[in-house]
Parts: sequence; C-alpha cells; structure tokens
Amino acid sequence: DAGVTQSPTHLIKTRGQQVTLRCSPKSGHDTVSWYQQALGQGPQFIFQYYEEEERQRGNFPDRFSGHQFPNYSSELNVNALLLGDSALYLCASSSPVGRASLQETQYFGPGTRLLVL
Amino acid sequence: AQSVTQLGSHVSVSEGALVLLRCNYSSSVPPYLFWYVQYPNQGLQLLLKYTSAATLVKGINGFEAEFKKSETSFHLTKPSAHMSDAAEYFCAVSSYGNNRLAFGKGNQVVVIP
Repeated sequence: DAGVTQSPTHLIKTRGQQVTLRCSPKSGHDTVSWYQQALGQGPQFIFQYYEEEERQRGNFPDRFSGHQFPNYSSELNVNALLLGDSALYLCASSSPVGRASLQETQYFGPGTRLLVL
Repeated sequence: AQSVTQLGSHVSVSEGALVLLRCNYSSSVPPYLFWYVQYPNQGLQLLLKYTSAATLVKGINGFEAEFKKSETSFHLTKPSAHMSDAAEYFCAVSSYGNNRLAFGKGNQVVVIP
C-alpha cells in the first residue's frame, strides 16, 4: 500500500518565478492538506482540499494556490516566489472529518524541498 | 486559535535514560493532541494521538503521553532512550470538526552513547 507521495523531492527556483508541487494521497484518502516547514520551525498549515474544493486556509497570501483532481491528487502552486518561500513543503492526506471515527490521522509525505535564490 | 508550546529546542539524553519532551496547549474547545517524529530528510510520522478517550496514550517505539487538562499539557515520555530515537519531535493540536494541525516549534533530540 503506497503512502503519500510527493514530487519533485528537491527544486531550485529564482525570485519571481512560479512553482508547482504535486502530491498523491494515501490509498483510500480523499482529503489533502499542505504545510510549509521553514528551517528550524514546525510545519504551518497552508490549506486543505476535499471534493476538489479548498475547505480551509491558513494565514498565507494569495500567491499560494492549489488544486485537487478527481483522483484526489493535489497540486500546490506558488507565484512570484520570494526568498522567504524557501522551505520544506509537506503534503498530508486523511479521510474527511465526520466520516469514519471522528478525527482521522493525517499521514505525511516525505516533502518537497524548495530553495529560492 | 489553537496553539502548542514546546520549550527547549534541543534536548540531550543519555542512552538508556528517560526521555521527556514537554508540550503545553492552548485551545478554546476540547483538543485533539498529537506527537509526530521527523527523521532527517523525511516527512512526519505519527507517534501517538489523544482524541478524548484514555488520558494515557501509548504510541509506537515505546513512547507514551499523558493528557492533563488541569495543566493543559501533553508531555511525551519514553523510559529508556535508544540511539534510534535521535530525531525531531513535534507536538500538534487540532479539534473535532477541524483537522488542520497547529504544530509547536519542535524538539531536536540528541542521544548520547
């Protein structure tokens, strides 16, 4: 059973460019959340997708956008990259709240490490 | 808003000694609490979670944590540290109906032989 997968593993971009990161959820999961983990910090919630719609959003600017596809995979897009966007981007999948037994565990992928120069 | 506080970014422990990582939470609703571990260049792995059932929660790799509402705490312990426990540990909080996680800054655990 494949867990959460993310691509690419590493990425180098320059300021002002745009980037797209990809995530495939764990089998049986239909909710995808994205987190940003800056060096030496805990992950911060960016947004969550369920049924191809953004359901929750953290305190991130509109430069951060996403998409979920019918097969539940997801993309995170960041426009107009800033140096401060350099971080490890983590994708987590889960079953939606309310289904099955209350709070479902979020399973994390290995992350995409983005470096903005 | 929900939040957790983890004090002491780096924690050194001798092999075979007690591991104790402290986590205090802030939440206006009954919290769900989690401990995750992150090994170098890897994602997060769930160690254990509290979701309003038993207050003493046992997890993987010999770790356990106790939910204490009066102290708003969810400290992580392991009786005897092993070299393989060297990693970064994160405490996180969410609540029923809202499974977005708010993480602490983490504890980097170093195990001394």
